[in-house]
This record gives sequence, structure tokens and C-alpha cells, in this order.
Amino acid sequence: KAGVTQTPRYLIKTRGQQVTLSCSPISGHRSVSWYQQTPGQGLQFLFEYFSETQRNKGNFPGRFSGRQFSNSRSEMNVSTLELGDSALYLCASSIRHGAGETQYFGPGTRLLVL
Amino acid sequence: AQSVTQLGSHVSVSEGALVLLRCNYSSSVPPYLFWYVQYPNQGLQLLLKYTSAATLVKGINGFEAEFKKSETSFHLTKPSAHMRDAAEYFCAVSVRGVGNYQLIWGAGTKLIIKP
Repeated sequence: KAGVTQTPRYLIKTRGQQVTLSCSPISGHRSVSWYQQTPGQGLQFLFEYFSETQRNKGNFPGRFSGRQFSNSRSEMNVSTLELGDSALYLCASSIRHGAGETQYFGPGTRLLVL
Repeated sequence: AQSVTQLGSHVSVSEGALVLLRCNYSSSVPPYLFWYVQYPNQGLQLLLKYTSAATLVKGINGFEAEFKKSETSFHLTKPSAHMRDAAEYFCAVSVRGVGNYQLIWGAGTKLIIKP
């Protein structure tokens, strides 16, 4: 079974631009979570989608948004990019939403904001 | 509120030595606990998961962890370190409840293997 795929793998943007990242979960997985990873802040939860509905949201500004499609693929969007948005963005999928569910991670998208 | 503390941002051991990575959690209800590993330039991979079935959990690559409720700990061990174990390790906690949940992550521990 194919793993979680994320596109693009690397991205360079300038301040003020917007960016859209894509995540394709493992086949049959209906829950997708997004994380931001930086050396200073570690892993921070952005949001989780299940059956096209946002089930949970982390403590990020409204510039960060996401959505999930009927085939469970998910996108996240960051508008008005800031230098501090430079990070590795990780997507993880699980079969369903619930405590104890194992999350399977993609390789991440590394975003550099100049 | 749940939280996870990983003691030591960096741990260095010699090849062949015991690996011990510490994780303490706080939770008001019985938790689910996870250890993940991240190799350079890769995503996270599940090493093992505690779901209350057994306190000693065996994972991949020879790792295991023991859930100790009295100490609120879930330390990760491996009897003999290999060079390929050099990576960053993350402990996470999730709590069973009604409604939403999210994984709470520790800050991570980088494991350095000395030849």
C-alpha cells in the first residue's frame, strides 16, 4: 500500500506570498492531520480533518487554513507568508478520528520564506 | 491538561551500549502513548504504541518501552545501539475522551551514536 505523499517536497517563497501544500493519505484513511516542525518550536499541531470536516485546530493564526476533499486528500494554505513560516510541514493520516489512532506521516514539505 | 516531557534534547551513547530515552507524561485519564522516530530529511515513523493491553511494549528495530503508571513514565530502551539508530525520537500522548483529541508531543531527543 502506498504511503502518505506530500507535494511539493521543497518550496521557496517570498514574504507576502501565499502557498498551498497538498497531502494524499494512505488509501482507506479518512483522517488527515497537519503539523509544523521547526528547530525552535518542535512539532506543533495545525489542524485535523475527518470526512471533510475540521475536527480540531491548533493555536495558529487565521492565515493558516486547510480543507479536505471527498477522496480524503487534503490541502493546507498559508496566506501572507512571514519569515517565521519557514518550516517543515508534515501531514499524517489515520484510518479514523479518535484517541489511540496511529498516525502515518508523509515525508513533509520544506518551505523556505525569503 | 496533558503534557509530555522528554528529558535531554541530546543523548549520546556508544555503539553497542544501552539506549535509554526518557519520557514523562501528565494525564488525568489513562493515556495512549506513542514513540516515533524521525531520520534526517524524513517524516516520522511509528516505533511503538501503548494502548493498555500490556505495560511492556515491543516495537520495531529492537526498541521497547515500559509504561509505569506510578511514575507517569514511558521510557524507550534498546539493549544495543547501532549506528543506524541515530535519529530524533519523539514521545507523544493522546487521551481517550468524548469529542475531539489531539496528540501532544514532546520536544524530541536526538540520539547520537558514537563509533
